[in-house]
Amino acid sequence: SQELEQSPQSLIVQEGKNLTINCTSSKTLYGLYWYKQKYGEGLIFLMMLQKGGEEKSHEKITAKLDEKKQQSSLHITASQPSHAGIYLCGAHAGGTSYGKLTFGQGTILTVHP
Amino acid sequence: DTAVSQTPKYLVTQMGNDKSIKCEQNLGHDTMYWYKQDSKKFLKIMFSYNNKELIINETVPNRFSPKSPDKAHLNLHINSLELGDSAVYFCASSFHRSGLNNSPLHFGNGTRLTVT
Repeated sequence: SQELEQSPQSLIVQEGKNLTINCTSSKTLYGLYWYKQKYGEGLIFLMMLQKGGEEKSHEKITAKLDEKKQQSSLHITASQPSHAGIYLCGAHAGGTSYGKLTFGQGTILTVHP
Repeated sequence: DTAVSQTPKYLVTQMGNDKSIKCEQNLGHDTMYWYKQDSKKFLKIMFSYNNKELIINETVPNRFSPKSPDKAHLNLHINSLELGDSAVYFCASSFHRSGLNNSPLHFGNGTRLTVT
């Protein structure tokens, strides 16, 4: 089965700093999703990457998928307290997997004002 | 205009009881899911339904029984609750597309189940 490893497990930064969260897979990623979770709330979809070398940005968040499609990174520029939460990467097993996403263990981000 | 809504938000009950969690989506999606997030924040799929048909059943104890009356609803009934069932249960929905045309899952806000 596919396993996703996220690093770091937790991250504390000062407001305004840049940061990167990594997600590594032991197998080829057919669809890589980044979600954000706040305490007591559901997962908010951030971005989906499917092609090797693909990069997407939304506001101050950029996600990349490497050419081999085994590693993805999430980069936040000039972090703000509103960026705090748990970031999860999820991936499809491929084919007709009916949304069976395998998730990483999450990265807890704290942003100090 | 909540997209995926699940009730209740919190559920505290005693061991041995039977409880249900309800989920509804108004996104027109054809596939719905139940995921379980344990105390270590690991999120794992439990069930998936496509157009009311069970597609994925991930070695979940048969005390857990999902029911999908229509493609907009997926409920989860749990019999004889155990301490280890304490977790946050998330409902999600999406369009099913094969191959590279995957669509993202939209999650509900979760139901925090505490079994005492």
